[in-house]
Amino acid sequence: NAGVMQNPRHLVRRRGQEARLRCSPMKGHSHVYWYRQLPEEGLKFMVYLQKENIIDESGMPKERFSAEFPKEGPSILRIQQVVRGDSAAYFCASSPRNEDAEQYFGPGTRLTVT
Amino acid sequence: GENVEQHPSTLSVQEGDSAVIKCTYSDSASNYFPWYKQELGKRPQLIIDIRSNVGEKKDQRIAVTLNKTAKHFSLHITETQPEDSAVYFCAASKKLTFGTGTRLTIIP
Repeated sequence: NAGVMQNPRHLVRRRGQEARLRCSPMKGHSHVYWYRQLPEEGLKFMVYLQKENIIDESGMPKERFSAEFPKEGPSILRIQQVVRGDSAAYFCASSPRNEDAEQYFGPGTRLTVT
Repeated sequence: GENVEQHPSTLSVQEGDSAVIKCTYSDSASNYFPWYKQELGKRPQLIIDIRSNVGEKKDQRIAVTLNKTAKHFSLHITETQPEDSAVYFCAASKKLTFGTGTRLTIIP
């Protein structure tokens, strides 16, 4: 039973480019959460999705960031026109249900903006 | 929204001794309180969790206690070992508001 998968593991982008981060949840999990972690800091909630629906995006910046979780395929976190401040580790987590359920994290994507 | 505070930020413990990390939360509607362990450059790993209908939960050397009235919960690690060295995060509620982390160092 494969765990949560994320790719790429490392991503380097120049300022102004787009970054696309992918997350495949654990088998049987239909709830996906994205978190951002700056160096030496905790994890900050960004967005919560179920298949084809954004449930809570209260932690997502209003501009340049978007997320989706299509019926088929992985969840995608998209950052347009990246800036240096976007450099961070982005983790996704998946869960089997939405109420008080354990979340399992992927290995993260480390985004570096040069 | 939820606000979670975690103390201490760093903790050094002699191998074999116990370590205690404490968290407080603000939203009385929160019902789920997990603890994660994160080693350098790795993903957070769920080590134990507790739900609001339970006051204490134990798994081998790890235990978590919850006081809903006071809105705080604690992680207890007994008989600490070098491999327990990591950053530990508490969290509360469904979309997981995390504490700021505790860097635990076990001194051999």
